[in-house]
Amino acid sequence: DVKVTQSSRYLVKRTGEKVFLECVQDMDHENMFWYRQDPGLGLRLIYFSYDVKMKEKGDIPEGYSVSREKKERFSLILESASTNQTSMYLCASSFASHGKLFFGSGTQLSVL
Amino acid sequence: DQQVKQNSPSLSVQEGRISILNCDYTNSMFDYFLWYKKYPAEGPTFLISISSIKDKNEDGRFTVFLNKSAKHLSLHIVPSQPGDSAVYFCAASASGGSNYKLTFGKGTLLTVNP
Repeated sequence: DVKVTQSSRYLVKRTGEKVFLECVQDMDHENMFWYRQDPGLGLRLIYFSYDVKMKEKGDIPEGYSVSREKKERFSLILESASTNQTSMYLCASSFASHGKLFFGSGTQLSVL
Repeated sequence: DQQVKQNSPSLSVQEGRISILNCDYTNSMFDYFLWYKKYPAEGPTFLISISSIKDKNEDGRFTVFLNKSAKHLSLHIVPSQPGDSAVYFCAASASGGSNYKLTFGKGTLLTVNP
């Protein structure tokens, strides 16, 4: 059974803190993605990676960075958390040759 | 610029009836389309997909129709069940690149009433 695991279901952080969201997939997928979901705005792509150490900006990369040191792991970093980054964060992965994404359960981040 | 549009934020239907969720796209390079279902506090799960070489794909109670000339697709659920109540996202990708990035619509909240 395919699995994308996000390290935390719920996270509460303070404004200005550095925040790490971790994602691991066990399907040997080349592509990994970070989305955020907000009411009325749908799923918006933050960053994605199509290979180890490779990354590309999505639609809303400002305030975020990513790291992919190993094929199975993709980290999202909030350098200095702000209240407008309170959101549901979703990690996903896919094979290079196919557009079907597999999602993790999500991390609900609250920045106070 | 919203390339994938779901113009109905919500839809309510009676159990046993048909649910029809609609999606429009503007990018003519899109050639692969997917529907995802999302329950609260969970990640989206894949439901059904269709390639642009087809105009219909069926999987049990779920059928997706694609009208390329109108740049429109729809998801039909027959018969609808209370467990189908969720947010449904339409997504599209263009296979020209190697990364298969998906562009999502804003979602439609489907409520199936018993």
